[in-house]
Amino acid sequence: RKEVEQDPGPFNVPEGATVAFNCTYSNSASQSFFWYRQDCRKEPKLLMSVYSSGNEDGRFTAQLNRASQYISLLIRDSKLSDSATYLCVAYTGGFKTIFGAGTRLFVKA
Amino acid sequence: NAGVTQTPKFRILKIGQSMTLQCAQDMNHNYMYWYRQDPGMGLKLIYYSVGAGITDKGEVPNGYNVSRSTTEDFPLRLELAAPSQTSVYFCASSQLSYEQYFGPGTRLTVT
Repeated sequence: RKEVEQDPGPFNVPEGATVAFNCTYSNSASQSFFWYRQDCRKEPKLLMSVYSSGNEDGRFTAQLNRASQYISLLIRDSKLSDSATYLCVAYTGGFKTIFGAGTRLFVKA
Repeated sequence: NAGVTQTPKFRILKIGQSMTLQCAQDMNHNYMYWYRQDPGMGLKLIYYSVGAGITDKGEVPNGYNVSRSTTEDFPLRLELAAPSQTSVYFCASSQLSYEQYFGPGTRLTVT
C-alpha cells in the first residue's frame, strides 16, 4: 500500500465548476500535510498547507481529517489556469516527506 | 533571487556513462534535496543535506552520490548510468524541513 494515495484522475470539469480531490495517508504519525501544484513538465510548487481546522486561500480550501487519515482539496469556480496536477504531501518527521503520485485536473471552457 | 537552478535541462546518456547534475540555490537555505520523478509515480527522495558537509541517503540512493561543500551547491553524481535511471530529477531546498522550493528539473534519458 502506498503511504500517500490519490485518485490519479483525470478530472475533467467545465469552467466555474467546483471540484474536490481526496488523498489518504497510511502513517498515523504524519505530522504535517500540504498540497503542491505541478504544471505539465514543470516543477512542483507549494499551493497550501493543510490544518485540522481547515485552511482557505481564495477559491481553494484544504481540510485534514486525522481520524480517517485523509486530506481534501476543494477548488471553487474553476479557472482554465487551474489545469494542473495536484500533489498531496505528508511530512512524517526527520526528512521524510512523502509525495503522492498526483491528481490531474483539466478545466475546459 | 533566482531561487533553485538546475543544469542541464536535458541530457541523453549511454549505458555506463557518468555525469553530474548541478543544483544551486540563492535563498541561503540549509536543507537541500534530490528527488526523481517517474511517470505516474510520486517524487522519490534520493539524497538530502542539512547543511554544508552533511548529507544522508533518502529512499532510493543506489547508483547516485552527492556532496555539499557550500550552502549554495548540491550536485548529484550518477555513476555507471543504467536505463532504470531514466527519469526527471528535481533539486529542492528549504529553510524549514518541510516547505520545499523546487528547481525546474533535469530530464535524463539513459539508452
